[in-house]
Amino acid sequence: GQNIDQPTEMTATEGAIVQINCTYQTSGFNGLFWYQQHAGEAPTFLSYNVLDGLEEKGRFSSFLSRSKGYSYLLLKELQMKDSASYLCAVEDSNYQLIWGAGTKLIIKP
Amino acid sequence: IAGITQAPTSQILAAGRRMTLRCTQDMRHNAMYWYRQDLGLGLRLIHYSNTAGTTGKGEVPDGYSVSRANTDDFPLTLASAVPSQTSVYFCASSEGLAGGQTQYFGPGTRLTVL
Repeated sequence: GQNIDQPTEMTATEGAIVQINCTYQTSGFNGLFWYQQHAGEAPTFLSYNVLDGLEEKGRFSSFLSRSKGYSYLLLKELQMKDSASYLCAVEDSNYQLIWGAGTKLIIKP
Repeated sequence: IAGITQAPTSQILAAGRRMTLRCTQDMRHNAMYWYRQDLGLGLRLIHYSNTAGTTGKGEVPDGYSVSRANTDDFPLTLASAVPSQTSVYFCASSEGLAGGQTQYFGPGTRLTVL
């Protein structure tokens, strides 16, 4: 079967660093996406990894290990506006996205 | 440029009624998608279209139908709504159906079936 696992909820402090993990088991792999979704809004694209390693984009970085079926999203210098759900999605062999349930990140002052 | 628009924003519907959710994109994207999002579950693909004139079934297609008469529009129809179809529905589009194509989402339609 296909399975994407992420923690349901995490809490962090403004200005700190947080790492959101995602593990997956899917039929085929063509890449892994991270999306951000604020409450009541649409998901928006954050990052895409297809090769092993770290991709850095400003305060956000995303890591992939294909052999371990594992990815993480690293958020640095947390701001209150980073309070949102973070969705992990794997692109399967048919180029369709299989989505995790999302991790709700709560930022406290 | 609006991107993707969806209508209505929200709707309360009696069970057994027919309902069409509208989706329009102005990015000239070839691929379009319909997802539903339920609390505690990931986004689940209902139907998709690789290009105008073609459609395909996703993970949860039962009770839903779609059409793709042109590039811009991708309506989703519930022929006879049931309470289990209460959900938030998102339409999305991407340039094509190939590796690494970012999907862009509309604002969503919140549907309640009573």
